[in-house]
Amino acid sequence: AQTVTQSQPEMSVQEAETVTLSCTYDTSESDYYLFWYKQPPSRQMILVIRQEAYKQQNATENRFSVNFQKAAKSFSLKISDSQLGDAAMYFCAYRGNKLVFGAGTILRVKS
Amino acid sequence: NAGVMQNPRHLVRRRGQEARLRCSPMKGHSHVYWYRQLPEEGLKFMVYLQKENIIDESGMPKERFSAEFPKEGPSILRIQQVVRGDSAAYFCASSPLAGFAGEQYFGPGTRLTVT
Repeated sequence: AQTVTQSQPEMSVQEAETVTLSCTYDTSESDYYLFWYKQPPSRQMILVIRQEAYKQQNATENRFSVNFQKAAKSFSLKISDSQLGDAAMYFCAYRGNKLVFGAGTILRVKS
Repeated sequence: NAGVMQNPRHLVRRRGQEARLRCSPMKGHSHVYWYRQLPEEGLKFMVYLQKENIIDESGMPKERFSAEFPKEGPSILRIQQVVRGDSAAYFCASSPLAGFAGEQYFGPGTRLTVT
């Protein structure tokens, strides 16, 4: 069974600084997708960024980028120029024959 | 194009009562997935349905929980004789593609509180 591990229960970052959230996963599948979702206090799940496993190039979406290391099964999220609105719970997720979520990392942004 | 809709957003039930959670998928989506989020945890898959069929219920508790997605109307997640441990946020997602191949679009969730 696939598993997703987020080893940082909570992270803090100063406004305008950069922060990296860690995620590792375990799978025997070769074709899959990886995602980062943001869950603000409203609890709505918002897709931040996705990465196809067959693509070597790391995905980027504006201030959000990933460091995808397929051999190491690592998928970290970097948030540049952090803003107060980035404060939320962030979930790493794996999609193969199921959609599996990590336990989440709470990100706090200090002004 | 309206997104995935869930109602109610908040539901309070006393122990032993029944809870019915509704999910209307995005227009054109015929695949619905239910997830449960316990406090301080990530979302856990419960069940995957297509119109009138349960495709994968490997994440559903064996007792008291059931789901349906009728030909007409929303998908329903039903919890009978609720207990305090059922208190959680329940999310529905829909997809235009079968299985887990397509993008899943999430609803806002229903927060169930059992008193």
